[in-house]
Amino acid sequence: AQSVTQLGSHVSVSEGALVLLRCNYSSSVPPYLFWYVQYPNQGLQLLLKYTSAATLVKGINGFEAEFKKSETSFHLTKPSAHMSDAAEYFCAVSESGGYNKLIFGAGTRLAVHP
Amino acid sequence: GAGVSQSPSNKVTEKGKDVELRCDPISGHTALYWYRQSLGQGLEFLIYFQGNSAPDKSGLPSDRFSAERTGGSVSTLTIQRTQQEDSAVYLCASSLLGQETQYFGPGTRLLVL
Repeated sequence: AQSVTQLGSHVSVSEGALVLLRCNYSSSVPPYLFWYVQYPNQGLQLLLKYTSAATLVKGINGFEAEFKKSETSFHLTKPSAHMSDAAEYFCAVSESGGYNKLIFGAGTRLAVHP
Repeated sequence: GAGVSQSPSNKVTEKGKDVELRCDPISGHTALYWYRQSLGQGLEFLIYFQGNSAPDKSGLPSDRFSAERTGGSVSTLTIQRTQQEDSAVYLCASSLLGQETQYFGPGTRLLVL
């Protein structure tokens, strides 16, 4: 069975500092991996995805993530945090080759302070 | 060009009542998914539609939950005899068949008193 672990339910950074949100997955088949962002009272917006092409994936709003098979990780980074990045971030996995039921991590709430 | 829409945006109901939640997927999206977001359980998959068929209902928590899709478009999630533990945000997503990117609606926030 697939699963996702997000280390740290809350992360706080200063504006301009590096953002690092951690995600580890388990999957018995090659996975597809996703990062979604959720702003208050809104649905989920796709930030970026890995689908077995390049291991370093660039997404919207300056975010990127690197797929590391040996570490079963897909950590999300952004070099310089902006106040508007404050939101909840979800890592998700689905099986490649089939329909794409998403299995989500518990989420990480990112706070950005001046 | 509209995204996924859901209605109502908020629903307050009394324990024991039935509720219907609606999802309008992006036009042309054959695949449709329902998820539930609750404080205790996080984001969890409920059901998947391919066209009007539901080949995966494995996430429906009990037989009080059912869903249908008609015309390969609109989907309705029905919860019968609601319980307080059904309180959650119900999210709908759609995608092109075989495509991995799902587009989410804003959700329906359900509160069972």
